[in-house]
Amino acid sequence: EAGVTQFPSHSVIEKGQTVTLRCDPISGHDNLYWYRRVMGKEIKFLLHFVKESKQDESGMPNNRFLAERTGGTYSTLKVQPAELEDSGVYFCASSQAGLATYFGPGTRLTVT
Amino acid sequence: AQTVTQSQPEMSVQEAETVTLSCTYDTSESDYYLFWYKQPPSRQMILVIRQEAYKQQNATENRFSVNFQKAAKSFSLKISDSQLGDAAMYFCAYRGRDGGTSYGKLTFGQGTILTVHP
Repeated sequence: EAGVTQFPSHSVIEKGQTVTLRCDPISGHDNLYWYRRVMGKEIKFLLHFVKESKQDESGMPNNRFLAERTGGTYSTLKVQPAELEDSGVYFCASSQAGLATYFGPGTRLTVT
Repeated sequence: AQTVTQSQPEMSVQEAETVTLSCTYDTSESDYYLFWYKQPPSRQMILVIRQEAYKQQNATENRFSVNFQKAAKSFSLKISDSQLGDAAMYFCAYRGRDGGTSYGKLTFGQGTILTVHP
C-alpha cells in the first residue's frame, strides 16, 4: 500500500511568488492534515480536512494560505504571495478513524 | 490548549546501549493518545509507538518501550540495544480523544536529536 506522498520535495521561490504544494493521502483515509515546521521550531498544525470539508483551519497563519481538497482525495496548499517567514518544511498526514496518523516526506519550501 | 515539552534538544548513545528520551505534556482531558515519531535524515516521519491514556500498561514495540505516568503527565521513550539506524529526530506528540473538537490533530514537542555512536 502506498504511503502519503507529497510533491514537490523541495521548492525554492522568490518573495511575492506563488507556490502550490500537493499531498496525496493514503487511499481510503478520510482525514488529511497539513503541518509546518519552521526552522528550529516545533511542528505546528495548519489545518484538517475530513473528506472534502475543512474540519479545523485554526492553524492557518493568514489569508495568504489556501488549502483545498478536491473530491476528498488529494489536497493542495497554495501560498500566495509567499513571504520569507513562510520558509520551512510542510508536512501532510492522513489517518482513518481511531488509527494512527501517517506522514508524508514533506515539502521543503525556501522563500528568498 | 495542550502543550508538549521535550526538554532534551540532543541526546547521544553508544551502539547496543539504552537511552531514554523525555517528554512531558499538559492537558485537561482525561482521554487521549500519545505518540513517538521518528524522523531520520531522509525526512519521512515514522510512527514508533503509540499509547492510549486509558491503558495503564506501557506500550512496547520490539526495542522501543514507553514509561507512561499519567498523573505526572510524563511519557518517556526507552530505546534498548540502540542501533545506528535509530539515529534520527524524535518527536513526542499528543492527540485528543477521537470525536473531540481536536479530533486527529497532533500537538508536537520540539524534538530530540538522537545520535548513535558506533
